[in-house]
Amino acid sequence: KAGVTQTPRYLIKTRGQQVTLSCSPISGHRSVSWYQQTPGQGLQFLFEYFSETQRNKGNFPGRFSGRQFSNSRSEMNVSTLELGDSALYLCASSAGLAGGGANVLTFGAGSRLTVL
Amino acid sequence: AQSVSQHNHHVILSEAASLELGCNYSYGGTVNLFWYVQYPGQHLQLLLKYFSGDPLVKGIKGFEAEFIKSKFSFNLRKPSVQWSDTAEYFCAVNLSGGYQKVTFGIGTKLQVIP
Repeated sequence: KAGVTQTPRYLIKTRGQQVTLSCSPISGHRSVSWYQQTPGQGLQFLFEYFSETQRNKGNFPGRFSGRQFSNSRSEMNVSTLELGDSALYLCASSAGLAGGGANVLTFGAGSRLTVL
Repeated sequence: AQSVSQHNHHVILSEAASLELGCNYSYGGTVNLFWYVQYPGQHLQLLLKYFSGDPLVKGIKGFEAEFIKSKFSFNLRKPSVQWSDTAEYFCAVNLSGGYQKVTFGIGTKLQVIP
């Protein structure tokens, strides 16, 4: 079955611009989580959506936002880009229900954002 | 705050050497534990997981990990590494019950020299 698809794969923006990243989860998965990956910081949790509702949120400023659609596809938006936002943004999907197995994340390839 | 610590950020081994990567977490309560691996140019993928039961879990490619509750640890081991094990390894944890966010460690880059 198809994996987690993220678009675009690469993008370059300048400071002050905004960006929207998209994620299509594995069919049947209702939870989508977003992470920021940078060298030396590992994966930092941004937020998690389940059935169109934000269920968990990390410690990122309000410039980072997301949403989920009825077909479980998710988007994240970063407004007023800063140089420090340059990173690989990873999306992961899971069944999202209670129970250990539902917490297993399947990751996409990521969207690499460069802010100049 | 809940956190995951990986003690070795960069490890270099020769082929056939034994591997142990440390992972400690600070969570109050029952946890689910994971190791993920990111091979060069590939997606992050699940290596192994622990939810309950036998604290020694086996994963893909000969990897295993042991959950020691009293030490809040979940160390990854492999008796004999191969060049193809060169990758970055991430320990991850979340609380059991309901659905809680999965928190990752900073990662350990493993380089295996032929």
